Amino acid sequence: EIVLTQSPGTLSLSPGESATLSCRASQSLTSYSLAWYQQKPGQAPRLVIYGASTRATGIPVRFSGSGSGTDFSLSISRLEPDDFAVYSCHQYGTSPHTFGQGTILEIK
Amino acid sequence: QVQLQESGPGLVKPSETLSLTCFVSGGSISSYYWSWIRQAPGKGLEWIGQIVYSGKTNYNPSLKSRVTMSVDMYKNQFSLKLSSVTAADTAVYYCARVFGSGVYSSPYNWLDSWGQGTLVTVSS
Repeated sequence: EIVLTQSPGTLSLSPGESATLSCRASQSLTSYSLAWYQQKPGQAPRLVIYGASTRATGIPVRFSGSGSGTDFSLSISRLEPDDFAVYSCHQYGTSPHTFGQGTILEIK
Repeated sequence: QVQLQESGPGLVKPSETLSLTCFVSGGSISSYYWSWIRQAPGKGLEWIGQIVYSGKTNYNPSLKSRVTMSVDMYKNQFSLKLSSVTAADTAVYYCARVFGSGVYSSPYNWLDSWGQGTLVTVSS
């Protein structure tokens, strides 16, 4: 199975700053088949990015995804209080689907 | 807008079978793939498997020997059974829809709608 490794484990930033989260795959992903989800305590994951770089409906332009092959990233500019959450990457191009362990984006 | 809601016992005894149902409202269960995902306390998400309206399934090999999924198109719901549970199966279980219907339906798409999740604890 494809293992996804996210870094850093925790990212401490202040509102207004920019964040870059990384997701590295153990083998090359097919057709940019990577998604990012945002999860807040006690809530279900919410789709943020799919196809490595396409924003889901309702996601602000401050969120952007990039990458290909084995290296992907999620960038969030001008952090707002509502952005602080856990972000998980998900590869869906190869069975079994797999998820990264998550990056905690916390307020500094 | 589609909504998903998981239901089932919150407590299951070790060695017994965990049974959950996901009711889909605001849309038809047909033409889509549907997934189950779980998250153990303090851990990352784990994909359990998926099922399409025709009943075709695809399970995570790590759980395949214990997992059974089914779909009930008349009730617009799908279900998960996990047998011989242990404490390691304690988790929040989510159901989710795989993006794409009709000609765009595929098991290799992202998850675009999720249920709220239900905590299942395995304990005697």
